[in-house]
Amino acid sequence: KNEVEQSPQNLTAQEGEFITINCSYSVGISALHWLQQHPGGGIVSLFMLSSGKKKHGRLIATINIQEKHSSLHITASHPRDSAVYICAVGAEETSGSRLTFGEGTQLTVNP
Amino acid sequence: DTEVTQTPKHLVMGMTNKKSLKCEQHMGHRAMYWYKQKAKKPPELMFVYSYEKLSINESVPSRFSPECPNSSLLNLHLHALQPEDSALYLCASSQISGSGNTQYFGPGTRLTVL
Repeated sequence: KNEVEQSPQNLTAQEGEFITINCSYSVGISALHWLQQHPGGGIVSLFMLSSGKKKHGRLIATINIQEKHSSLHITASHPRDSAVYICAVGAEETSGSRLTFGEGTQLTVNP
Repeated sequence: DTEVTQTPKHLVMGMTNKKSLKCEQHMGHRAMYWYKQKAKKPPELMFVYSYEKLSINESVPSRFSPECPNSSLLNLHLHALQPEDSALYLCASSQISGSGNTQYFGPGTRLTVL
């Protein structure tokens, strides 16, 4: 079992739909990161969370430390949101220097 | 300036070649990272430099040799690579190493080993 599990692996949505991507982890963490990777390869850090909830534009990330679970929500999805979304955790034992990545969720938003 | 730059964007090399990948940031970050990413897989950590000193080496083969000549620059020297080393090589930086710090990624170098 991977230390970081994401679901779903693939997600197709229509423009305007509300999207949720889930991440569960099994290790003690010091922080959880949500990353976005477009087909060109570059990775953008969307959020870093250690508790609660963060919002940036149409993106919302939440984390429940007790349940070891985080969600990334996209409201009013748009084709430009199409990308791979990756959840990564920084383990407590390494002070977070080493990120453990989930396998990613491929999101496709159709117009 | 919140940018990490990497050169070259693409690199094709033979198994006997020696080449280097370069990564640069001017954000004053003191931690820099090399990752390897195969197609449709998440990045795999290779090396972490903290304050210009190698702090993590994830048992990477010696044909990959990292170098951090100063706080802004990170190199990855390549020698006698194998075709299975073909991948996207990503550089990242953060203020210091540790989870409380966002990592900023470069666009990557797509390496093909023939």
